[in-house]
Amino acid sequence: AQSVSQHNHHVILSEAASLELGCNYSYGGTVNLFWYVQYPGQHLQLLLKYFSGDPLVKGIKGFEAEFIKSKFSFNLRKPSVQWSDTAEYFCAVNTGGFKTIFGAGTRLFVKA
Amino acid sequence: DAGITQSPRYKITETGRQVTLMCHQTWSHSYMFWYRQDLGHGLRLIYYSAAADITDKGEVPDGYVVSRSKTENFPLTLESATRSQTSVYFCASSEVPGQGDEQYFGPGTRLTVT
Repeated sequence: AQSVSQHNHHVILSEAASLELGCNYSYGGTVNLFWYVQYPGQHLQLLLKYFSGDPLVKGIKGFEAEFIKSKFSFNLRKPSVQWSDTAEYFCAVNTGGFKTIFGAGTRLFVKA
Repeated sequence: DAGITQSPRYKITETGRQVTLMCHQTWSHSYMFWYRQDLGHGLRLIYYSAAADITDKGEVPDGYVVSRSKTENFPLTLESATRSQTSVYFCASSEVPGQGDEQYFGPGTRLTVT
């Protein structure tokens, strides 16, 4: 069965630290990849997505992610986090149909 | 205002009662989804709809019923609520999910079943 794994369930960083959140999926075909963010008390919103083309994708608020097909990975990065990045981050994979599979989420807490 | 809305935002109900969660979108997106969010499980798909009058089961449909008589509305009904259905429920919509279109989420309904 298709699945999405997010390796870190909780991450605590200090402001200005670099961030990398891991995401791996299990599917051998063409995929659409997403990172969604859920700020405290808010709904999920799109951070960035990969559909085709350049595997390095840039999103909002300085986030980027790299699609490495050979590793089935789509890791999220940010060079310098801010307190306002405290949120839960979800990796998601769509394999071409209606269904998008979400990872379990990573809760990021940034210390001011 | 354009967007996707859910009501109620918070609901406490008793075991065995019927509960309906409402979802309304103003974009005329074809696809609509219901997810539940539980700690450690991320988002799990309950039901989805590809168009008005077309619905199908997702990953965890047991105990839930949906309908979609109009494109913009997609209510979710818990026929006889159980404590295991205590969760946060998110409605989402999308135009063509298989072609890279993202999903747009509502604010969620926090449901507690006592």
